[in-house]
Amino acid sequence: KAGVTQTPRYLIKTRGQQVTLSCSPISGHRSVSWYQQTPGQGLQFLFEYFSETQRNKGNFPGRFSGRQFSNSRSEMNVSTLELGDSALYLCASSLGLAGDMETQYFGPGTRLLVL
Amino acid sequence: EDKVVQSPLSLVVHEGDTVTLNCSYEVTNFRSLLWYKQEKKAPTFLFMLTSSGIEKKSGRLSSILDKKELFSILNITATQTGDSAIYLCAGRNTNAGKSTFGDGTTLTVKP
Repeated sequence: KAGVTQTPRYLIKTRGQQVTLSCSPISGHRSVSWYQQTPGQGLQFLFEYFSETQRNKGNFPGRFSGRQFSNSRSEMNVSTLELGDSALYLCASSLGLAGDMETQYFGPGTRLLVL
Repeated sequence: EDKVVQSPLSLVVHEGDTVTLNCSYEVTNFRSLLWYKQEKKAPTFLFMLTSSGIEKKSGRLSSILDKKELFSILNITATQTGDSAIYLCAGRNTNAGKSTFGDGTTLTVKP
């Protein structure tokens, strides 16, 4: 089975712009979770989507949003980018909801640099 | 707020040494604790622990959870240079379904 894929792998944007990141889960997986990883804050949970619905949400501002399509692919959008949004954005997929004792498998991440 | 604390933050050992990494957690409605290994890319899953006192083992790696004392350890025996990585521990709750990660332990294994 192919693993979790994320596109693009690298991205450079300027402050004020918006960005959309994409994640394709492992075939058959219905849950996609998004995380932000920075040197200062570590790995932080953004949100989880399951069956096209946002099920869980972390403590991030409304500039961070996402959605999931019927084929379980998910997109994450960040509007009005700030310098502090520079990070590695990871998505992870699992068969069921992440809280239901499911193992999550991470994608390679998208490294976003905001100038 | 959920909290996961790992120690030590970094560790340097020589090949063949045994290391023990620690993870303590405060997670509301705790469901499971997970260990990941992160090299220069995304974290890769190592173990998921849900029951206290039951050791999970995979080759030279093993892990155990103590739900009474709220901690877990990850043990690596006969370390190799390929074990050099950041080891992340995450606590997962049931209600929110989200994982709270610790800051990680950076392990460096010297030849």
